[in-house]
Amino acid sequence: DGGITQSPKYLFRKEGQNVTLSCEQNLNHDAMYWYRQDPGQGLRLIYYSQIVNDFQKGDIAEGYSVSREKKESFPLTVTSAQKNPTAFYLCASSIEVASAAFFGQGTRLTVV
Amino acid sequence: AQSVTQLGSHVSVSEGALVLLRCNYSSSVPPYLFWYVQYPNQGLQLLLKYTTGATLVKGINGFEAEFKKSETSFHLTKPSAHMSDAAEYFCAVSASTYKYIFGTGTRLKVLA
Repeated sequence: DGGITQSPKYLFRKEGQNVTLSCEQNLNHDAMYWYRQDPGQGLRLIYYSQIVNDFQKGDIAEGYSVSREKKESFPLTVTSAQKNPTAFYLCASSIEVASAAFFGQGTRLTVV
Repeated sequence: AQSVTQLGSHVSVSEGALVLLRCNYSSSVPPYLFWYVQYPNQGLQLLLKYTTGATLVKGINGFEAEFKKSETSFHLTKPSAHMSDAAEYFCAVSASTYKYIFGTGTRLKVLA
């Protein structure tokens, strides 16, 4: 089945540690996205990538980094510079501008 | 620039009653509009989308939405609520870029 796989589903880290969230898709979509979801704030765009080896900052990129070395993969690293990293992170992909974005099941990151 | 406003962060309806979730958008170019549903600790699932053509869009699970350009609205409706409709609903807009802008969400509660 085609889809987007995020792993792990739950992740716990100590404050000050970097952590990488995985996102893989087999939909052959060019564009991929990372969103952060906090209660009452909807989804906020962290980074997006339209093609391999290219990505752009979204609205809340500070403290995050990404790479896009393969079409299928768009990992997100939450660095120690992110002041409030505990959140639900959603990865998505789309095939073109007018199409809908497809979402993974999310990763809930808790930093203690 | 695009933006989305969802009126009412929480909506309660009785089982069998009409569901109406409101979404207003702002876009400097013809928008593409989407409604998504999210169940707890899961990703977002597409309900329906408007790109061009017919302004009344039918989606999954009996939902539909009408694009009204004059009112810059894209409200989501369902004639008869079911207990399984209890979830959070997000309206989103996209335009000539690959970015999707989401509203802050409306949590629907269905009362028995």
